[in-house]
Amino acid sequence: DAKTTQPTSMDCAEGRAANLPCNHSTISGNEYVYWYRQIHSQGPQYIIHGLKNNETNEMASLIITEDRKSSTLILPHATLRDTAVYYCIVRVDNNAGNMLTFGGGTRLMVKP
Amino acid sequence: DSGVTQTPKHLITATGQRVTLRCSPRSGDLSVYWYQQSLDQGLQFLIQYYNGEERAKGNILERFSAQQFPDLHSELNLSSLELGDSALYFCASSVDFQTGDEQFFGPGTRLTVL
Repeated sequence: DAKTTQPTSMDCAEGRAANLPCNHSTISGNEYVYWYRQIHSQGPQYIIHGLKNNETNEMASLIITEDRKSSTLILPHATLRDTAVYYCIVRVDNNAGNMLTFGGGTRLMVKP
Repeated sequence: DSGVTQTPKHLITATGQRVTLRCSPRSGDLSVYWYQQSLDQGLQFLIQYYNGEERAKGNILERFSAQQFPDLHSELNLSSLELGDSALYFCASSVDFQTGDEQFFGPGTRLTVL
């Protein structure tokens, strides 16, 4: 699976949009971009995933650049409960299993 | 609540001992994954089972073993425990390992080896 690079930490004001970047310059054509988050030692929680097109769900939006070498997770109105470590993962979905390879993630601190 | 249950929540044991961690996947999920999260190694994939069969292996030590039973619950067995095995152990489940479906994680078992 392609390696990802994320900033170690970020701050965001409550109520503002949180934009979390991720670089995955070696991503292959059949690799998806996944985002998970982990709130204080709880089990990681799925947020969103995409292949080429931008995606949006009730939690967040995922913007993938046209060359697919980077992406941005957007939390439109961050709340204090969004304080967590956010993991960007690229993964091939095939018969070899679909385990997640976690990197260091970005520690997002939402401040009042 | 993800629907994945793990027992026990906490486990304290001594070096050299053997423990069993248990995971019940979400209803209808056929795949079970085990992950280990330690302070120095981060979140690491250990092993995956799909409908009772081992599907993929990650950084799982030979002292560790797992299985998935006919009712789809899974157990992770850790033996000859060392101090370095102290970690959070997460189980996750998903419907089908082939598609891009999400994995649902349990609350974890915190293992402390003294």
